Amino acid sequence: QKEVEQDPGPLSVPEGAIVSLNCTYSNSAFQYFMWYRQYSRKGPELLMYTYSSGNKEDGRFTAQVDKSSKYISLFIRDSQPSDSATYLCAMSSNTGNQFYFGTGTSLTVIP
Amino acid sequence: GAVVSQHPSWVICKSGTSVKIECRSLDFQATTMFWYRQFPKQSLMLMATSNEGSKATYEQGVEKDKFLINHASLTLSTLTVTSAHPEDSSFYICSARQSFLGKLFFGSGTQLSVL
Repeated sequence: QKEVEQDPGPLSVPEGAIVSLNCTYSNSAFQYFMWYRQYSRKGPELLMYTYSSGNKEDGRFTAQVDKSSKYISLFIRDSQPSDSATYLCAMSSNTGNQFYFGTGTSLTVIP
Repeated sequence: GAVVSQHPSWVICKSGTSVKIECRSLDFQATTMFWYRQFPKQSLMLMATSNEGSKATYEQGVEKDKFLINHASLTLSTLTVTSAHPEDSSFYICSARQSFLGKLFFGSGTQLSVL
C-alpha cells in the first residue's frame, strides 16, 4: 500500500464550479499536510499548509484534514481557467525528514 | 511565502559535458534540501536528500557519481550532472524545508536537454 493515495484524474469542470480534490494516507504519524499547484514545466507552488487536523481557508481555497479518517481535501470555489493545473498533496511527520506525495490530480477548468 | 530560487531554468548541453544546477533558499535557512526528477505527465521522483554540511542520501537506483550534490551552506545546494547523456534529459526540481514549520518550498525547475 502506498503511503499516500491520490486520484490522478483527469478532472474537467466548467468555470465557476466547486472543485474537490482528495488524498488518503496510511501513516497516522503524519502531522504536516500541504497542497501544491503545479503548472506544466514549473515547480510546484505551495497553496495550503495545515498542521494537524482542522480546516484552513485562503481566498477561494479551503483545505481540510480529517486525521481520524486519514483523509485530506482541497476545495476550490468559483474555479477559474487559471486554476487548470496539476494539484499535489504532500505530508510529513514531526520526526524524520521525508515528505510523501500523492501522484497529482490534473484539473482543467473549461471557460 | 518563502522563496526558493533555482538556476538555470533551461540548459542545453552536448553529450559528455557536465551541468551544474543551483538551488537557493532566499529568505530562510534550509538545513535540508531535496532534488527531484520529473518526466512529462508524471509525478515527482525523489533523487536525493541533502543535509547541510554532510553527504547527500541518494534514493535507490540514483547514481551518486553521476549526480553530484553539494550542500555547503544553509541556503545553497547544487546538483551537478556529470558526463551528461541524452537519457539524462529531464526536468529537475529542488525543494527546501523550512525547518521549524515543516513547510516545503520548491524551486521553479530546470529543463535539461542533452544533445
